[in-house]
Amino acid sequence: DTAVSQTPKYLVTQMGNDKSIKCEQNLGHDTMYWYKQDSKKFLKIMFSYNNKELIINETVPNRFSPKSPDKAHLNLHINSLELGDSAVYFCASSQVSRATDTQYFGPGTRLTVL
Amino acid sequence: AQSVTQLGSHVSVSEGALVLLRCNYSSSVPPYLFWYVQYPNQGLQLLLKYTSAATLVKGINGFEAEFKKSETSFHLTKPSAHMSDAAEYFCAVRNAGNMLTFGGGTRLMVKP
Repeated sequence: DTAVSQTPKYLVTQMGNDKSIKCEQNLGHDTMYWYKQDSKKFLKIMFSYNNKELIINETVPNRFSPKSPDKAHLNLHINSLELGDSAVYFCASSQVSRATDTQYFGPGTRLTVL
Repeated sequence: AQSVTQLGSHVSVSEGALVLLRCNYSSSVPPYLFWYVQYPNQGLQLLLKYTSAATLVKGINGFEAEFKKSETSFHLTKPSAHMSDAAEYFCAVRNAGNMLTFGGGTRLMVKP
């Protein structure tokens, strides 16, 4: 069983469209995250979310919004896609209540905006 | 705020040679440090982590890292490189919000 899964694996779309990327974890973790990896492989945190608190990286445009239907899912919705949004997006999860928690990553979604 | 610097965006070694990937961190509190590996077109896999216990940390696939507070370093080593070690390696520090701040990554190339 895949611990952290994402769909779709590849997403190609036009500028201006709205799209969502889904993430599910079956580890029973209490916190989920979204990271963006740009073309130079640089990884940057976008959001951290548990059932109590959403922490947003201040550099993330408000066109990006995480939506969590339940504890095991954290979807990423993107409005009005721009060329610069092209990247690989990784979902991760961890159990923050453990002092030495480890984040487990999904396989990534490669988004291409044309 | 915490930050991580990885010296050398590309490192090339011969098969069987020592692997040394450098990571320096900046943190105002005792850090939790991680090394992740990313194989082509895959997600990140945890190699090892430092959580204020032993300063020499052993990970998977024969990798280890030593936490040196005086040098603010957490370099990753492996005594003998294999072809299968070719990948992108990321050092990361966990911040107060439990989010990871990553270094810029080091691509390891292994020559036959």
